[in-house]
Amino acid sequence: DTEVTQTPKHLVMGMTNKKSLKCEQHMGHRAMYWYKQKAKKPPELMFVYSYEKLSINESVPSRFSPECPNSSLLNLHLHALQPEDSALYLCASSQVIATGTTRTLGQFFGPGTRLTVL
Amino acid sequence: AQSVTQPDIHITVSEGASLELRCNYSYGATPYLFWYVQSPGQGLQLLLKYFSGDTLVQGIKGFEAEFKRSQSSFNLRKPSVHWSDAAEYFCAVGHSYNQGGKLIFGQGTELSVKP
Repeated sequence: DTEVTQTPKHLVMGMTNKKSLKCEQHMGHRAMYWYKQKAKKPPELMFVYSYEKLSINESVPSRFSPECPNSSLLNLHLHALQPEDSALYLCASSQVIATGTTRTLGQFFGPGTRLTVL
Repeated sequence: AQSVTQPDIHITVSEGASLELRCNYSYGATPYLFWYVQSPGQGLQLLLKYFSGDTLVQGIKGFEAEFKRSQSSFNLRKPSVHWSDAAEYFCAVGHSYNQGGKLIFGQGTELSVKP
């Protein structure tokens, strides 16, 4: 299995709703990422999980709450979002090389969740 | 500061013509470089990557890229473009793991293909 899956594909929510995005991979990757992408722009990194621990939070507002229940699963919990949060939310995963100069071998992206906040 | 520049926002080529998409990077150490492609409404697909070794790397869908350290470039090429290649292309440089393995993306180049 060489893919990253994301559910749902589309989500419409009001500003008072609570919803969650789900991401799953079965490639044995130990780094997982959430990105936000606006139209005609590159993805913007939101969070990085490494070995199920949050390693990077790119100053994301607290209305976005990530969770990594196990090495295959990554969730993004959404609460009290704003219309400007409407975007394509992408999940990615990567293998981690544990060497003296550790790097990732490139990230594999899911198809994304198209989120619309009304 | 590390950065990636894709000088061309939009390129149009005729089907069957050759293609070169430009990418310049600024990175202190030896860079890990990537090209991704994104079709409308889809996620990003990894086309190819460069870590070390041979500076000409082959990728999927008939794409190749050449790493030129002296020019800080990693241009993407394809000898004959197909209509299905119309998409957004992103060049990226990868940070070291202790910075989360972050990817720094260029702004993207939108490719249109004329019949």
